[in-house]
Parts: sequence; C-alpha cells; structure tokens
Amino acid sequence: DAGVTQSPTHLIKTRGQHVTLRCSPISGHKSVSWYQQVLGQGPQFIFQYYEKEERGRGNFPDRFSARQFPNYSSELNVNALLLGDSALYLCASSADVNNSPLHFGNGTRLTVT
Amino acid sequence: GQQVMQIPQYQHVQEGEDFTTYCNSSTTLSNIQWYKQRPGGHPVFLIQLVKSGEVKKQKRLTFQFGEAKKNSSLHITATQTTDVGTYFCAPTGTASKLTFGTGTRLQVTL
Repeated sequence: DAGVTQSPTHLIKTRGQHVTLRCSPISGHKSVSWYQQVLGQGPQFIFQYYEKEERGRGNFPDRFSARQFPNYSSELNVNALLLGDSALYLCASSADVNNSPLHFGNGTRLTVT
Repeated sequence: GQQVMQIPQYQHVQEGEDFTTYCNSSTTLSNIQWYKQRPGGHPVFLIQLVKSGEVKKQKRLTFQFGEAKKNSSLHITATQTTDVGTYFCAPTGTASKLTFGTGTRLQVTL
C-alpha cells in the first residue's frame, strides 16, 4: 500500500509569492495534519483536518490556510511568503482523531529567497 | 498547548553503549507518543504510552511512562549505527494534535 505522498518534494519561491503544497493520505485514513519543521527543531503543528472539516489550528498566521477534499487529500496554502517560512512541511495522516499514530510523508522542502 | 522538554539535546555514543532520552512535562499528560526521525527523513511512529507507570519494549528499545504521567523515557540497549537519528516525544492533545518535544539527537559511532 502507498504511504502518505506529498508534492512537490522541493520548491523555491520568492518573498511575497504564494505556494500550494499537496498531500495524499494513506488509503482509508480520514485525518490529515500539517506540520512545519525548521532545521534543528521538532515539527510544529499547523492544521488538522478530519472529514473535510478543520479540527485544529496551531499558532500560525492567517497567511497559512488549508483544506481537505472529498477524497481526503489535502492542500496547504501559504500566502505572502516570508524568508522565515523556509522549512520542511510535513503532512501526516491518521485513521481518526482519537490519538491514532501519525504516518508522515517525506515532506516538501520549501526555500524562500 | 502542552510543552515538553527533552534531555539531552544531543548524545554521541560508541556502538554497543546504552542510550537514554528523557521527556519532561510540567503538566499531567493524557498519553504520549514517541517518534524517530533519521537524518534527511520524516518522523516515524515508534510507540504510544497511555497508562501510568506503563513500560513497553520493542527489541532493544524500552519505553516508560512515569507514575505521575509527567515524564517519559526511551532507553536503547547496546546501540547500533542504525539507531542514529533524532528521537521525539509527543504528548497528544485534543484529537490527534501532537506537540513534539525538542528532540534528542543520537549519534552512534563504531
């Protein structure tokens, strides 16, 4: 079975631009979460979606938004990119929202110049 | 959200030595998960602890949850080079939102 897939794997953007990152969960998983990981730090929670509804939001500005589609895939959008948005963006899927283990994708490495 | 500190931040051991990382919280935790992230990789789920005083083993890895559910530890016996990576504890909050600890980076040399 395929694991969590994310695209693109790498991305270079300029300050002020916007970016869309995509994630497909493990088949049968209905929850998708997004995390930002800056080099040398642990992943920081951005969003969680379950059954197409937002179930949680981390301490990130409104420039960050996300959505989940009927097939449970998800997109993370970041507007007005800043240099500080450069990070590894990880998507994780889980079977439900009852503290199920997270299964992470390989991430999208975003570089903002 | 729940804040956890992990110690040490970094440890370098010789292959065959033991290794322990500790996860400490100022508040009582509902449950806690542990993840391993290899260099250049993504976090991979290792274990979840739920009960006070719980001890779980996976081959050379032993996980403990404190009696007061405010701390947890991961002990690796006789480390191998394949154990290299960063180990994160992650208390679970509402739903499946995880708050990852600061992580302990383990380096193993021959």
